[in-house]
Amino acid sequence: QQPVQSPQAVILREGEDAVINCSSSKALYSVHWYRQKHGEAPVFLMILLKGGEQKGHEKISASFNEKKQQSSLYLTASQLSYSGTYFCGTESLRGLGGGADGLTFGKGTHLIIQP
Amino acid sequence: ETGVTQSPTHLIKTRGQQVTLRCSSQSGHNTVSWYQQALGQGPQFIFQYYREEENGRGNFPPRFSGLQFPNYSSELNVNALELDDSALYLCASSWDRGINIQYFGAGTRLSVL
Repeated sequence: QQPVQSPQAVILREGEDAVINCSSSKALYSVHWYRQKHGEAPVFLMILLKGGEQKGHEKISASFNEKKQQSSLYLTASQLSYSGTYFCGTESLRGLGGGADGLTFGKGTHLIIQP
Repeated sequence: ETGVTQSPTHLIKTRGQQVTLRCSSQSGHNTVSWYQQALGQGPQFIFQYYREEENGRGNFPPRFSGLQFPNYSSELNVNALELDDSALYLCASSWDRGINIQYFGAGTRLSVL
């Protein structure tokens, strides 16, 4: 079952902050965040693992509440380049010997940054 | 840029035909995953290949098949194309099959008429 993202869309002025939420009904092992611009590949932003480990390489932060199966992505002092569609991809806890289930993505949050 | 390349970028086929999409993974990555992204939706997992073996599969029929080669490049084959197969097909590579960052290519846009 795919995670639910909110809001579906948001319009901001440059310099404003945004929070994008991702909620799953399944117990999660990891949450991955990507940004996709029209006609381009999804670009990795952040990975959050069960147990608190985080990896990212942009000025973007995120949180992962394992008990609630929720994650939030925080974009502070937004720049024009932040515009795009943000997807969370979740990976559920696997059974013993299980193969890959891939990432289950939400429907995305459209972010528009205006000058 | 991630180093994951896909070809072709665009493709038009008619219903019932067969198609092969190609993906070159990022250097050092031995795992390739394929996703289908319908317009306005998030990517949906098709299958994953790890060291030339299928390592997992999503909810797609058997007419979706794949291959991974010794250099870890990969192909996605779709037989008996249907109108609903029209989508962006994304390939993602990662350095192993565990919980790893997946790096996506720009995709192949398939239109089935």
